[in-house]
Amino acid sequence: SQQGEEDPQALSIQEGENATMNCSYKTSINNLQWYRQNSGRGLVHLILIRSNEREKHSGRLRVTLDTSKKSSSLLITASRAADTASYFCATDKSYGNKLVFGAGTILRVKS
Amino acid sequence: KAGVTQTPRYLIKTRGQQVTLSCSPISGHRSVSWYQQTPGQGLQFLFEYFSETQRNKGNFPGRFSGRQFSNSRSEMNVSTLELGDSALYLCASSLVPGVGKNIQYFGAGTRLSVL
Repeated sequence: SQQGEEDPQALSIQEGENATMNCSYKTSINNLQWYRQNSGRGLVHLILIRSNEREKHSGRLRVTLDTSKKSSSLLITASRAADTASYFCATDKSYGNKLVFGAGTILRVKS
Repeated sequence: KAGVTQTPRYLIKTRGQQVTLSCSPISGHRSVSWYQQTPGQGLQFLFEYFSETQRNKGNFPGRFSGRQFSNSRSEMNVSTLELGDSALYLCASSLVPGVGKNIQYFGAGTRLSVL
């Protein structure tokens, strides 16, 4: 079963607006990552934040992590139509590469 | 550098058959993981291989198996296929397993349909 929940399940915005997606998880973690998936294809890694970090930026992406609340958020600023995709958070808690994914948020950016 | 390559991209099988999926990791990557994605269960971890050894296994029945070869290429096998095995199977590779080294690069997936 999945580690946690993501909300919203779906988000529709206009090009140029900001999109915020939230992820909650259930157990302690080492790292939390965000991935993007276009139309049922493979996942593309976006950003990794370690459990001792609170915020991380990469281009138009900003990720926050609150380990006390077991939650993370992904902010995409100045969204573009090309950002239309599903976004997943994934956590890992042990040695190795087992990732536990959230249910994902479907983002639609209208031009 | 070529990405993760999965073959075939699409497969149609009937119940009771078996299927083998292949994954070639990024050159130099030695860890390969497999995931199953379905609309109902989402993305679920199947297993991970490193140095030809299974290091982690998800909660799947024994019908799901895999292996890794000395060149790091991996295969997964599903025997006695069931309708519920219809899914997108994703392979991911990374340099080595380990805490803080878990950025995984995914292939485009193999979409399996079981009729």
